[in-house]
Amino acid sequence: DAGITQSPRHKVTETGTPVTLRCHQTENHRYMYWYRQDPGHGLRLIHYSYGVKDTDKGEVSDGYSVSRSKTEDFLLTLESATSSQTSVYFCAISWDSTGELFFGEGSRLTVL
Amino acid sequence: DAKTTQPPSMDCAEGRAANLPCNHSTISGNEYVYWYRQIHSQGPQYIIHGLKNNETNEMASLIITEDRKSSTLILPHATLRDTAVYYCIVRPFGSGNTGKLIFGQGTTLQVKP
Repeated sequence: DAGITQSPRHKVTETGTPVTLRCHQTENHRYMYWYRQDPGHGLRLIHYSYGVKDTDKGEVSDGYSVSRSKTEDFLLTLESATSSQTSVYFCAISWDSTGELFFGEGSRLTVL
Repeated sequence: DAKTTQPPSMDCAEGRAANLPCNHSTISGNEYVYWYRQIHSQGPQYIIHGLKNNETNEMASLIITEDRKSSTLILPHATLRDTAVYYCIVRPFGSGNTGKLIFGQGTTLQVKP
């Protein structure tokens, strides 16, 4: 299995609080992605990174920010969590732009 | 990016071949066809990809029509563990490509004993 670790794996928080999810890889892959998955919507791309400090928006980026200060870590931040951001969040990595994506185990976030 | 159309669900008998269709009629010459699957609540798993030739690996075969407007993923001997949601995705390659995958709704394959 690809060396991807997501943390925390489960989190319950209250509306209005900041939340940061971390994706850590040991594979030295250039590309990293954050997805969310909700019933009825499938997987939707939030943000992605194609190198250190190089990030861009995906399909559903509103309310989220990301940072990548080093190759191995890609952070997803919810500045002020809302109930609509209750979801399962998946991180993925890829060696290059045509390579397969390896997904983490997911982080389940509940915003009350 | 080109869009794909898949049936929402399919059944298959255990031990039989599962043939999952995908329509991608607006695919461009610089786009691959990728297949992923997601078992229950796990992260998606790569299966196979191709450009215009048929491809086979230890998991599945991918048949792409000559005009590239549709493809079929074949699981030759489906098992109960193949029950999953299968996603067909087209993905561009080339200079400037960011490698992102845009998932659709996929096909829920139910393998039955």
